[in-house]
Amino acid sequence: KAGVTQTPRYLIKTRGQQVTLSCSPISGHRSVSWYQQTPGQGLQFLFEYFSETQRNKGNFPGRFSGRQFSNSRSEMNVSTLELGDSALYLCASGPGDTVETQYFGPGTRLLVL
Amino acid sequence: GNSVTQMEGPVTLSEEAFLTINCTYTATGYPSLFWYVQYPGEGLQLLLKATKADDKGSNKGFEATYRKETTSFHLEKGSVQVSDSAVYFCALVNQAGTALIFGKGTTLSVSS
Repeated sequence: KAGVTQTPRYLIKTRGQQVTLSCSPISGHRSVSWYQQTPGQGLQFLFEYFSETQRNKGNFPGRFSGRQFSNSRSEMNVSTLELGDSALYLCASGPGDTVETQYFGPGTRLLVL
Repeated sequence: GNSVTQMEGPVTLSEEAFLTINCTYTATGYPSLFWYVQYPGEGLQLLLKATKADDKGSNKGFEATYRKETTSFHLEKGSVQVSDSAVYFCALVNQAGTALIFGKGTTLSVSS
């Protein structure tokens, strides 16, 4: 069974731009969670989608948003990029019953210049 | 709320040395505890987990025991290999059960 895939793997943007990251979950998984990983703050939960609905949300500004499609693929969008948004963005998929059975993708590394 | 604290790195060891990475937690109730590993350029992989007090999780020679008396979940390996070089994260589920809370990560570097 194929794992979680994330595209693109690397991205360079400039301040003020917006960016969209994509995550394809493991086949059959209906939950997709997003995490931001930075050297200073470590790994922080952004949000979780289940069956096309945002089910849980972390403590991030409204510039961070996401959505999930009917095939469970998910996208996250960051608008008006700031230098501090430079990070590794990790997506995790799971069946949706518990976060204990999540599988992580390789991440998208975003650099904001 | 729930939180986890793990020892700062980096940890530098020679091959075949004994490894301990300390992790302590604060939690309401007794949530499941996890160790994840991140190899260079990759995402997170679940290394092991324990779901209740006194449980021992183990995988690939790594072990960790869920100790409620000391609120700890220390990661140990008897003989590390160069291939174990990675960043290790201790984690638990948040109080609402909706997301994982991670420690800051500990970088392990093993030389031959």
